[in-house]
Amino acid sequence: EVQLMESGGGLVEPGGSLRLSCAASGFTFSNAWINWVRQAPGKGLEWVGRIKSKTDGGTTDYATPVKGRFTISRDDLRSTLYLQMNSLQTEDTAVYYCTAVVRDIDYWGQGTLVTVSS
Amino acid sequence: QSVLTQPPSASGTPGQRVTISCSGSSSNIGSNYVNWYQQLPGTAPKLLIYRNNQRPSGVPDRFSGSKSGTSASLAISGLRSEDEADYYCAAWDDSLSGRAFGGGTKLTVL
Repeated sequence: EVQLMESGGGLVEPGGSLRLSCAASGFTFSNAWINWVRQAPGKGLEWVGRIKSKTDGGTTDYATPVKGRFTISRDDLRSTLYLQMNSLQTEDTAVYYCTAVVRDIDYWGQGTLVTVSS
Repeated sequence: QSVLTQPPSASGTPGQRVTISCSGSSSNIGSNYVNWYQQLPGTAPKLLIYRNNQRPSGVPDRFSGSKSGTSASLAISGLRSEDEADYYCAAWDDSLSGRAFGGGTKLTVL
């Protein structure tokens, strides 16, 4: 069974940093392309970025609002994905989900809440 | 303003058939696959349809997807109270080099 578990969310002041983790199991993590998607309170889904598998280049793509501030990385040995978030702004407040694409089907974690507030 | 356009709300009575539309452009729906997601209140989104019209294992065949040109649709037949949820379409956008989501449609079962 595919499982994704996000962690690392919490309260951070504007301008601060936070690192989210996504622990995966139940599939060959190294072969999967992984996305981060966020959802602000009461709002819709917003794609944050993705990282391809190393066999497909391991490259990353980011949404415009987070480009230059957020970095996605992966540790295939630990089956874990990371989202390093710097220069956080109040508009980054959201539940952050990791999603793994396995043979065209994407699986979602339960999400972790990030609150940016002074 | 979302790149993909969905109606903010839809409704139907039990047993009815409801359709939710998703309008895009040549850089997203027109050239890439469309996925649909269901988000029940207080839960994470769940994949309902992938590759325009494919259902993952476990998704009832009451749910179906279609695509034509730069638009896509999700149809739900035999509507049930448990179908009350938010529904989102998504597609890769070649111009943005990113994934585009619709703004979501809140489905109410009357």
